[in-house]
Amino acid sequence: GENVEQHPSTLSVQEGDSAVIKCTYSDSASNYFPWYKQELGKGPQLIIDIRSNVGEKKDQRIAVTLNKTAKHFSLHITETQPEDSAVYFCAARPYGQNFVFGPGTRLSVLP
Amino acid sequence: EPEVTQTPSHQVTQMGQEVILRCVPISNHLYFYWYRQILGQKVEFLVSFYNNEISEKSEIFDDQFSVERPDGSNFTLKIRSTKLEDSAMYFCASMGQGGTEAFFGQGTRLTVV
Repeated sequence: GENVEQHPSTLSVQEGDSAVIKCTYSDSASNYFPWYKQELGKGPQLIIDIRSNVGEKKDQRIAVTLNKTAKHFSLHITETQPEDSAVYFCAARPYGQNFVFGPGTRLSVLP
Repeated sequence: EPEVTQTPSHQVTQMGQEVILRCVPISNHLYFYWYRQILGQKVEFLVSFYNNEISEKSEIFDDQFSVERPDGSNFTLKIRSTKLEDSAMYFCASMGQGGTEAFFGQGTRLTVV
């Protein structure tokens, strides 16, 4: 089955700096890769996603890149703000099957 | 904006008791999921449900667990005889036909004492 790894487990950046979180997956059948943001006491919220036929996707300060050959994908947050502080989860999903989540990255943006 | 709603937000139960966690998925969604998250750990898949039957389940989802869509709108997770290790946040998610985005509810915090 699919296995998703995520690094780093914790990340602290100064406000205004960029943050990068990396994930790897094992199942070459996975073709959809969402990123979720989880704030304290809340459910995961989808922030961006990418499909396997795309190499990069950007939405304002957030971007995701996918290297299907190497089976890794990354989340990039530019111009970080304190409200970006949260736990971020990557996930992978072969079509029609469940989502497999990475272990999460706790991002702290320091003012 | 449509959202997945879960009730209750927090449930405390005695070990050995049955609990039912309730979810109202986004209307016209067809795929439903339950996930759990033990405090400080990652989100783990429990079960997926489509066309009124379980489509996939994890090894966590043993005979103590069951799911039901009793009335076409609610989607429930039942734990028959709760154990201390069942204490976790339980998240419901739903996804539309042909879609890939899954939307999560706010979760139910289950505490077994």
